[in-house]
Amino acid sequence: QKEVEQNSGPLSVPEGAIASLNCTYSDRVSQSFFWYRQYSGKSPELIMSIYSNGDKEDGRFTAQLNKASQYVSLLIRDSQPSDSATYLCAVIGNTGKLIFGQGTTLQVKP
Amino acid sequence: KAGVTQTPRYLIKTRGQQVTLSCSPISGHRSVSWYQQTPGQGLQFLFEYFSETQRNKGNFPGRFSGRQFSNSRSEMNVSTLELGDSALYLCASSLDRGNSGNTIYFGEGSWLTVV
Repeated sequence: QKEVEQNSGPLSVPEGAIASLNCTYSDRVSQSFFWYRQYSGKSPELIMSIYSNGDKEDGRFTAQLNKASQYVSLLIRDSQPSDSATYLCAVIGNTGKLIFGQGTTLQVKP
Repeated sequence: KAGVTQTPRYLIKTRGQQVTLSCSPISGHRSVSWYQQTPGQGLQFLFEYFSETQRNKGNFPGRFSGRQFSNSRSEMNVSTLELGDSALYLCASSLDRGNSGNTIYFGEGSWLTVV
């Protein structure tokens, strides 16, 4: 089992729709969770961090964390073509290492 | 405030050679981590340095090594390069140790091609 798992996609949504990106992790004691966005040929850029159960909203982005289910998600409301990128879920576990999932490719179609 | 700076940005090396990559973290950040990104394996953790000490290491062979200087700048070295080492090498810095939950910021990366 991979430490952090994401569906590679591509996830295709129409412009203006809600994009839902999901991630599961295996280390039950993980405490810190991050979503990064990576455009092709660029480095990852932090979008959201979340540390406690529940929802955290920042503009069009909402991160959701459920530690009991070892599940973290990212919702993007009113998706725009400029949101088309690879979204990386990352988790810091007990070892202190930031472990990334393989990433989900999101395509927002005009 | 300047971001994480990596040099060189692009380089081409021959199999068997060695390479040194440099990273200057954000001012005040003491933790520097290195990652390798390839299409097939994604982003993989190489090592983390904090206050000149290696605090964490990923599952890479001993050909991959690194160090951190007193000013928090870091270098990583890959010896006896193999074709499979072709990748984007990313440096990331944070204020404190990785497991403290501090935000981690990435540099633009160094693109290494081994021929």
